[in-house]
Amino acid sequence: GESVGLHLPTLSVQEGDNSIINCAYSNSASDYFIWYKQESGKGPQFIIDIRSNMDKRQGQRVTVLLNKTVKHLSLQIAATQPGDSAVYFCAERGYQGGKLIFGQGTELSVKP
Amino acid sequence: EPEVTQTPSHQVTQMGQEVILRCVPISNHLYFYWYRQILGQKVEFLVSFYNNEISEKSEIFDDQFSVERPDGSNFTLKIRSTKLEDSAMYFCASYREGEKLFFGSGTQLSVL
Repeated sequence: GESVGLHLPTLSVQEGDNSIINCAYSNSASDYFIWYKQESGKGPQFIIDIRSNMDKRQGQRVTVLLNKTVKHLSLQIAATQPGDSAVYFCAERGYQGGKLIFGQGTELSVKP
Repeated sequence: EPEVTQTPSHQVTQMGQEVILRCVPISNHLYFYWYRQILGQKVEFLVSFYNNEISEKSEIFDDQFSVERPDGSNFTLKIRSTKLEDSAMYFCASYREGEKLFFGSGTQLSVL
């Protein structure tokens, strides 16, 4: 069946270092992928997205890479800050307006 | 930035009681969703709603669940007879083509 999963449940980095969070997906027909940040007690907050016809997209301090050959998605956070500490979820969508399928989440902890 | 608003933020109910969770999606959005997140787990899709009808639902969304858009601005999730395992954070989300999918801050439902 469909699934989106994350390779590591926790990631601890030093403030100022770069972080890389990985995600594997299984539905090769998915057209759209999103990374969300979730802080305790809050809803998922959009970070960055990428469409299936792209392999890289950059935002402010964040980059998403999509490798459709191996069905892999990653989120890179540059110069990680304490405020980046949260759980990060990847999600995929099969078609416009369709449901999102979320991965398990990676907890990012930033040490000062 | 526009917001999806959910009320109440916390709901405590007795097993077997009916609950209604309320959401005000972003005003020009056309797709509406309910997701839930059991503590420490990933976000799970419940139902999507478009053009005044359910467009997709998950196995979780059984006949104890229903959704309604009663007045063109609110979007509600009703659980007819709550069970202990319905305890979770429930997120509403809305979407319009060409825009991001926005999540509300959630309603924490506790069934005792």
